[in-house]
Amino acid sequence: AQKVTQAQTEISVVEKEDVTLDCVYETRDTTYYLFWYKQPPSGELVFLIRRNSFDEQNEISGRYSWNFQKSTSSFNFTITASQVVDSAVYFCALSAAGGFKTIFGAGTRLFVKA
Amino acid sequence: NAGVMQNPRHLVRRRGQEARLRCSPMKGHSHVYWYRQLPEEGLKFMVYLQKENIIDESGMPKERFSAEFPKEGPSILRIQQVVRGDSAAYFCASSQNAGQYFGPGTRLTVT
Repeated sequence: AQKVTQAQTEISVVEKEDVTLDCVYETRDTTYYLFWYKQPPSGELVFLIRRNSFDEQNEISGRYSWNFQKSTSSFNFTITASQVVDSAVYFCALSAAGGFKTIFGAGTRLFVKA
Repeated sequence: NAGVMQNPRHLVRRRGQEARLRCSPMKGHSHVYWYRQLPEEGLKFMVYLQKENIIDESGMPKERFSAEFPKEGPSILRIQQVVRGDSAAYFCASSQNAGQYFGPGTRLTVT
């Protein structure tokens, strides 16, 4: 069975702080994809990253970085120098390589205060 | 290349009415997925369809909910005799190979 756990329900930080959102997953598939999505207050889902299970290189995109560790089944997301506009709910997700259904975590609500 | 389109974006229905939610996948995509997001929760898979076929409906409630993806036209998620508990955001996604692209969602409110 596939499962995604985001243990942090809410995180509150002050602007310019760094913040890490945790994601732990379970799957029996050897090939799979991991995702992060942002859901701002407007409600749409904003795609942030997709990572193939064979690619364990960390990735950096501007203030965002992702740490994929297969040994611990984790795919953590760090925002450096957070800004108020980063306030949103962030979802980690997992899908099998066939591109079928995506399993979402419960989400982490991030509040960034000015 | 237009993204996944959903309409309406907001839908209000009274208890007992029917709700029809539409999803037009990205051009060239023949796989459609529906997800439901209850308030303050993550997205939950409902159904996966290919043209004219339901592939996986393991997440669909057994009653009142149905989905189709006809040969021509959008995919439709139909909820009959809506109840207050159906109030949620319904997201559609489409894919062709790997990776799903999500639409903006339809927010259903049942009064």
